[in-house]
Amino acid sequence: DVKVTQSSRYLVKRTGEKVFLECVQDMDHENMFWYRQDPGLGLRLIYFSYDVKMKEKGDIPEGYSVSREKKERFSLILESASTNQTSMYLCASSLLLLNSNQPQHFGDGTRLSIL
Amino acid sequence: KQEVTQIPAALSVPEGENLVLNCSFTDSAIYNLQWFRQDPGKGLTSLLLIQSSQREQTSGRLNASLDKSSGRSTLYIAASQPGDSATYLCAVPPRYGGSQGNLIFGKGTKLSVKP
Repeated sequence: DVKVTQSSRYLVKRTGEKVFLECVQDMDHENMFWYRQDPGLGLRLIYFSYDVKMKEKGDIPEGYSVSREKKERFSLILESASTNQTSMYLCASSLLLLNSNQPQHFGDGTRLSIL
Repeated sequence: KQEVTQIPAALSVPEGENLVLNCSFTDSAIYNLQWFRQDPGKGLTSLLLIQSSQREQTSGRLNASLDKSSGRSTLYIAASQPGDSATYLCAVPPRYGGSQGNLIFGKGTKLSVKP
């Protein structure tokens, strides 16, 4: 089975801090994704990556950056955390096929609170 | 731009009832549609993926159908159990030939199965 592991289930940080959320997958997937999930807004894509050192902006990239130095690891970075970034963050991975029919596999999420 | 809608937002049924969850999407040129389950405070679990060439997929008590021409999918749950209580989300890729596998999600239907 695919395993997507997010480093923290719960995280509390202060405004202005630089925050790192880590995600690791063990199935050699090319695609990795970061979403945030908020009540009433659903899941929204922040960034995704289809290869090492490659990244693409999703729908809401402002205030975030990402790093993909190794195929199995995809990091989400909040450069200067703000209270409106309090949310549930979900990482996912999938095999890369153009016009893909491959399912996405999700981690358990990180509930981040910015005080 | 692809939009995904799930109605109703919440549903409560007695145990043993058969039920149908609905998902509609605005752009019918999709490669696939995926159904997920999310338990409170947890990540998403992939239930079924229907490819555009298929009309339905089955897994145990779950059956998902896809009608691309009308922009609709349904998830049928037979003989519901309290353990089926969760939020069910559907998702599609942005459009035919679009980005590398990212998904557009509906906001989900929160299902409660009463003993």
